[in-house]
Amino acid sequence: GQSLEQPSEVTAVEGAIVQINCTYQTSGFYGLSWYQQHDGGAPTFLSYNALDGLEETGRFSSFLSRSDSYGYLLLQELQMKDSASYFCAVRGPYGGATNKLIFGTGTLLAVQP
Amino acid sequence: GAVVSQHPSWVICKSGTSVKIECRSLDFQATTMFWYRQFPKQSLMLMATSNEGSKATYEQGVEKDKFLINHASLTLSTLTVTSAHPEDSSFYICSARDTGTYNEQFFGPGTRLTVL
Repeated sequence: GQSLEQPSEVTAVEGAIVQINCTYQTSGFYGLSWYQQHDGGAPTFLSYNALDGLEETGRFSSFLSRSDSYGYLLLQELQMKDSASYFCAVRGPYGGATNKLIFGTGTLLAVQP
Repeated sequence: GAVVSQHPSWVICKSGTSVKIECRSLDFQATTMFWYRQFPKQSLMLMATSNEGSKATYEQGVEKDKFLINHASLTLSTLTVTSAHPEDSSFYICSARDTGTYNEQFFGPGTRLTVL
């Protein structure tokens, strides 16, 4: 089966750095994506890693280690507006279809003043 | 960036009725769209893959006769929840794959369905 595990909740203060981990076990793998979702809203794309290493996009960075089936999202200079749920998602060929996303369990980030 | 819309944003219906949800890609053509379901404080669960001009592919455990999907054009996919029951109450989200943006999926704002 497919599984992606994340910590359920993380709390941090404004200005700090936080890392959200994701370990996955899937039958197919094209890459690891990260999405942010505010309560009641649509998931918005943050970052994508197809190869091992670090990808940096502004305050957000994402890392992937395919040999360890592990990735993380790093958020720097935290702001109150970063309080949201964060999901990792594995993109892969499943059941004959390409580019399907299997989502992780999600991490609720609470940023405190 | 690529924009996906959904309509309606919320709907309340009586048990036993059918509800249709529309998903549109506004500024790109999407040969593939996806339908997800999300319960409160839970992750997104993929229900089905919608391919333009062909039958949808449903995930294991999703009833295809209950959740009818039609993808008649390159910018529109519809999900019809037939004979809805209270347990079908959920947040339904669609996404569209933009082949021009590294096959990234762009998500609609979601539709909150409440079945009384």
